[in-house]
Amino acid sequence: GQQLNQSPQSMFIQEGEDVSMNCTSSSIFNTWLWYKQDPGEGPVLLIALYKAGELTSNGRLTAQFGITRKDSFLNISASIPSDVGIYFCAGQEGYGGATNKLIFGTGTLLAVQP
Amino acid sequence: GAVVSQHPSWVICKSGTSVKIECRSLDFQATTMFWYRQFPKQSLMLMATSNEGSKATYEQGVEKDKFLINHASLTLSTLTVTSAHPEDSSFYICSAVLAGDTEAFFGQGTRLTVV
Repeated sequence: GQQLNQSPQSMFIQEGEDVSMNCTSSSIFNTWLWYKQDPGEGPVLLIALYKAGELTSNGRLTAQFGITRKDSFLNISASIPSDVGIYFCAGQEGYGGATNKLIFGTGTLLAVQP
Repeated sequence: GAVVSQHPSWVICKSGTSVKIECRSLDFQATTMFWYRQFPKQSLMLMATSNEGSKATYEQGVEKDKFLINHASLTLSTLTVTSAHPEDSSFYICSAVLAGDTEAFFGQGTRLTVV
């Protein structure tokens, strides 16, 4: 199945550091989303982006929808231990109904050392 | 917020048996639900789109006769893994979309182990 290219694959950082990860696609998406998944759980939505060029913040998280609609990045500022988990980007082609299917990125494993 | 519940959270079954996983939207009606499979250390891969009252749409490479999906009501979709084999062992996750909305809400996942 189709997957989005996400980098880096993993990051090991110190508490307080900023983190940046990005996602690229060969095709255009109308919506970009970023999720966090804890072990043994389903993904939880962090940020949704609906317009090319859009920059959106949610607390310490900032994400941008690329102008070309083929990429997005997520920044986490001042990381804390509870930021540990796997982060996934996801692209969505449509706006409603069956077209809401998500194509997920390959994931970024984040480890934060206190 | 909208809650999606999966049952069971984990299941162990013998090779050759069938297993049913339920996905329920607890406080909203979902015309569309999605089923994903996630192998260890990998991403979520869409298996099929389930529409209430109609046949599911399967992604390429997913056997519809092996992974039976039934979406009989606006709050329940079921995935049945028939004649399960060890290679079917995986984390199965569903999501549900509120009618007319764009956000998908995910269940907590079901860990299937086939021995």
